[in-house]
Parts: sequence; C-alpha cells; structure tokens
Amino acid sequence: DTEVTQTPKHLVMGMTNKKSLKCEQHMGHRAMYWYKQKAKKPPELMFVYSYEKLSINESVPSRFSPECPNSSLLNLHLHALQPEDSALYLCASSQVSGSNQPQHFGDGTRLSIL
Amino acid sequence: SQQGEEDPQALSIQEGENATMNCSYKTSINNLQWYRQNSGRGLVHLILIRSNEREKHSGRLRVTLDTSKKSSSLLITASRAADTASYFCAIRGSNYKLTFGKGTLLTVNP
Repeated sequence: DTEVTQTPKHLVMGMTNKKSLKCEQHMGHRAMYWYKQKAKKPPELMFVYSYEKLSINESVPSRFSPECPNSSLLNLHLHALQPEDSALYLCASSQVSGSNQPQHFGDGTRLSIL
Repeated sequence: SQQGEEDPQALSIQEGENATMNCSYKTSINNLQWYRQNSGRGLVHLILIRSNEREKHSGRLRVTLDTSKKSSSLLITASRAADTASYFCAIRGSNYKLTFGKGTLLTVNP
C-alpha cells in the first residue's frame, strides 16, 4: 500500500470531456508533484507545488490545470485533451521541495483519451 | 539535460545472482536517487546518495557515486524473483527538480 492515494485508478474520456484527477497524502508533506509517464518511458515532471503554491510549471499545455486546495490534496483538472495525452499520471509528495528528501509516489491514474 | 542515462536498458538474470545497473549524467548534482517501479504501479524510493557521499548500503542494495566520472551504480545482491521491476536513477540538480533516467528493466528468473 502506498501512502499517496490517487483516484481514479483508470479513466477513459473523450476529447471534449472535463474530468479531474485527485491525489491525497497525510504524511504532512508540503511539496506535491504531478508527473506524466508514457509506456516504457521515465516519468516527466509537469508541476510542483510548494506550500500550496505553484512553484514549477514545465511548460505544460493549458488543457492541464493543477490545483492545490490544501496541504494534503492535489488535483489535476483535464479539459479538451488529445489522444497523445493518454498516459499514466503520477502524483508524488515530499517533505519540502528542494531538500535531500525522497519523493513518495502514488500508483497513478491510467488515462486513456478516445 | 540533467537526465541520467541507465545501462543496460534491460537485464535478465537468475535468482540468487547479483544485478548491477549503471547511471551516467552530465551536470552537477545535489543528490542522486534510485527508484523501483513494478509493472502498473508507482515508483518506490530505494536509496538517496548525496553529492559528497561515495557509497551507501540498504539491505541487499549498494549504491556508489563517482562525481568525477558523473556516474552511479546500483548493485542488488542475491536477487529474488520479486526484484523484477524497472529501476530508475533520478538526478536532483541545483534547480531542485528531479529528473529521471530512461530506466533499466530487470528480470529475475526463478
């Protein structure tokens, strides 16, 4: 069992749909991350939140909109996605961004765009 | 790019044998981390080694870091079938981002 919980585990959506991915951690971590991982590739950083503020956006298209309502929750709002956005979306957290602390990952949401 | 490059890309061994994976990188680092990913799952942190450290151990895992050669290795001793997974090195540089290498797919045959 992981300490970072992601929902849903699987999501299939059309290109015109709006959906949200959710991530929750109760380890008191103040840094949270979204990664995108394509099959047989490494995770690629999308966003970093530090103390509930967006600190890094890796030039991600605006059809992905992150939100950090509080220190335990991280959302990724999806709208008008493209087929190439199909991937495993991983959430992670760590004690403080930029420190010598490991990141703790959830099991991801596998997203398929029709 | 700070991305690490692992080799080999794939490694197949028998249970009980040792497995060694290597990671090379191009820029200065704050620390280097190794993660494991089982099929369909998230990543699990294995070891973090700081730039001023040369070797770390954790159970059956041994990590070395040579900053002069910009390389690291992960050794798994007495491998088990449950060690079958993808292994990634990740570089933390001065900009605090964690950048993952392409990974090594390890298969341990019973």
